[in-house]
Amino acid sequence: GEDVEQSLFLSVREGDSSVINCTYTDSSSTYLYWYKQEPGAGLQLLTYIFSNMDMKQDQRLTVLLNKKDKHLSLRIADTQTGDSAIYFCAESMADSWGKLQFGAGTQVVVTP
Amino acid sequence: DAGVTQSPTHLIKTRGQQVTLRCSPKSGHDTVSWYQQALGQGPQFIFQYYEEEERQRGNFPDRFSGHQFPNYSSELNVNALLLGDSALYLCASSLVTGDFYHEQFFGPGTRLTVL
Repeated sequence: GEDVEQSLFLSVREGDSSVINCTYTDSSSTYLYWYKQEPGAGLQLLTYIFSNMDMKQDQRLTVLLNKKDKHLSLRIADTQTGDSAIYFCAESMADSWGKLQFGAGTQVVVTP
Repeated sequence: DAGVTQSPTHLIKTRGQQVTLRCSPKSGHDTVSWYQQALGQGPQFIFQYYEEEERQRGNFPDRFSGHQFPNYSSELNVNALLLGDSALYLCASSLVTGDFYHEQFFGPGTRLTVL
């Protein structure tokens, strides 16, 4: 089983904001990532946050990190139909760079 | 600039057979990692190659082995295939630098079906 947990499904209306949540268990995590996977495709890195940060904003994407609760969230502003995909949260530790531990993914469905 | 490429796209094998999957990293990258993604699950780390050596390994049996060539491309070999090996196999490449953060670029994957 994974040490990274995510809710499995999110439905959102086009134009609304989406919030995808993730919890992780390893306090030594150094980087936390959000990846997007569209049907039949590989993983696309959306954004990442270093563990000493609380927030990172990148255009429509906002990542919030609560280290005390080991909670990571991804907010997508003005959600579009092209945002429909599976979103994965992942973590890596300083002593094993490049070894990503993924959650099971959250399927986001955007309805018109 | 070509991204990470993998071959073949799809593959069907029977139990007990052996399979080899191939990966070419993104131009300029020197590190290749392999992941197994079962249906409905997140990717699981198999191993990582750098300087033609296995540097890290996940919780996979010895039936899973790999190789990295001088041109940084890589192969994943799986022996004695089991039905449970059916999955999407993803290759990711990155570049080792002085910084800790190494963005990994993923290929489209090879879909392996074991019958």
